[in-house]
Amino acid sequence: NAGVTQTPKFQVLKTGQSMTLQCAQDMNHEYMSWYRQDPGMGLRLIHYSVGAGITDQGEVPNGYNVSRSTTEDFPLRLLSAAPSQTSVYFCASTAAKSTDTQYFGPGTRLTVL
Amino acid sequence: AQSVTQPDIHITVSEGASLELRCNYSYGATPYLFWYVQSPGQGLQLLLKYFSGDTLVQGIKGFEAEFKRSQSSFNLRKPSVHWSDAAEYFCAVGDAGNNRKLIWGLGTSLAVNP
Repeated sequence: NAGVTQTPKFQVLKTGQSMTLQCAQDMNHEYMSWYRQDPGMGLRLIHYSVGAGITDQGEVPNGYNVSRSTTEDFPLRLLSAAPSQTSVYFCASTAAKSTDTQYFGPGTRLTVL
Repeated sequence: AQSVTQPDIHITVSEGASLELRCNYSYGATPYLFWYVQSPGQGLQLLLKYFSGDTLVQGIKGFEAEFKRSQSSFNLRKPSVHWSDAAEYFCAVGDAGNNRKLIWGLGTSLAVNP
């Protein structure tokens, strides 16, 4: 199994540009989530999904959209990038059981100029 | 409100020394508790977790943690640190019925001196 994969690893955008961060998992996990990690602020949940077709907002959802058309994929879209969205983004997945581990992807380092 | 506090932002230890990283939580119900490690430039990896039973849990890489309900703590320990343990360590607490949304601490950065 590849686990959780994320593309791209690095990305530089200009203010106002849009882009999609890709996340895929091959573990048949129901739950997937997107975090951003910023210095001194730890991990903050952006959006999450409890299954295909179901998404919900986390604590910092503004400026981001998600969809979950398949169990495997959970892309994160930046509609109009802003410098405040410069961060490292992690995707994670978890099986349905409440005691299960979150598996993280390797992250995408995004810089918005 | 639920919260997780890691009081130490940065810790430096010598290789071979013992280590204890502190984690305190505020949670109304029975918590599920986790420690994750993040090596430089990498994603997070689970070290260990507690959800019931023996309050001393063993994890990977020689780590252990002890759940103390009376102190609302879940401190991570290792008897002898290796240089490869230098990383960021995160404590997290989850709902006993839904660990999929976790509350995260801000992390403790560990440096290891040779």
